[in-house]
Amino acid sequence: DIQMTQSPSILSASVGDTVTISCRASQSVSNWLAWYQQKPGKAPKLLIYEASTLENGVPSRFSGSGSGTEFTLTISSLQSDDFATYYCQQYDGYSCSFGQGTKLEI
Amino acid sequence: QVQLQESGPGLVKPSQTLSLTCTVSGGSINYADYYWSWIRQPPGRGPEWIGYISYTGSAYYNPSLESRVSISIDKSKNQFSLKLRSATAADTAVYYCARYVIVVGASKFDPWGQGTLVTVSS
Repeated sequence: DIQMTQSPSILSASVGDTVTISCRASQSVSNWLAWYQQKPGKAPKLLIYEASTLENGVPSRFSGSGSGTEFTLTISSLQSDDFATYYCQQYDGYSCSFGQGTKLEI
Repeated sequence: QVQLQESGPGLVKPSQTLSLTCTVSGGSINYADYYWSWIRQPPGRGPEWIGYISYTGSAYYNPSLESRVSISIDKSKNQFSLKLRSATAADTAVYYCARYVIVVGASKFDPWGQGTLVTVSS
């Protein structure tokens, strides 16, 4: 199984800040990496797929980068609506796994 | 626009089988580009992939659950289903169904159902 490790687990920031969340895979996943945002009581929402492709309708302040085992999600000019929990997810051609999450708090 | 909706009992007794169905609307389940998926999320924790099934009926499971889980598909009803045998309290979670897009360059879980809470308790 491929293990996904996110850091940090909790990230404190303010409106207007730029933040970066990291995700590391235990072995290469090429660029089969997606990022999701989740708010309490809601299903995860897709932000980025294939490591760096922005999903339709997602603000351009969200960006993703990386390949192989190291990936990052960057949120620039934080808005109040961005305070949520973020998860990375990999696909290795047969199975999937998620990171443990990064809670972005004010 | 494709939508997914989970249905099934919200309470399951320990040792019994947890059974859920996902109904797909707004599009056909009979499509080669998608895997129809189950994901769960225990309270306060991250999502855990359970498994998925293709339109041909080929299924792939999380190795940690493979001995207890089965996923089936009913193309005539545009539904797919989850069965998790020998449930324990550790299986208490919000269960989501989701579509996984397996098109090269567009692999992603989208859309998701709203989720349904299943509690395993006597």
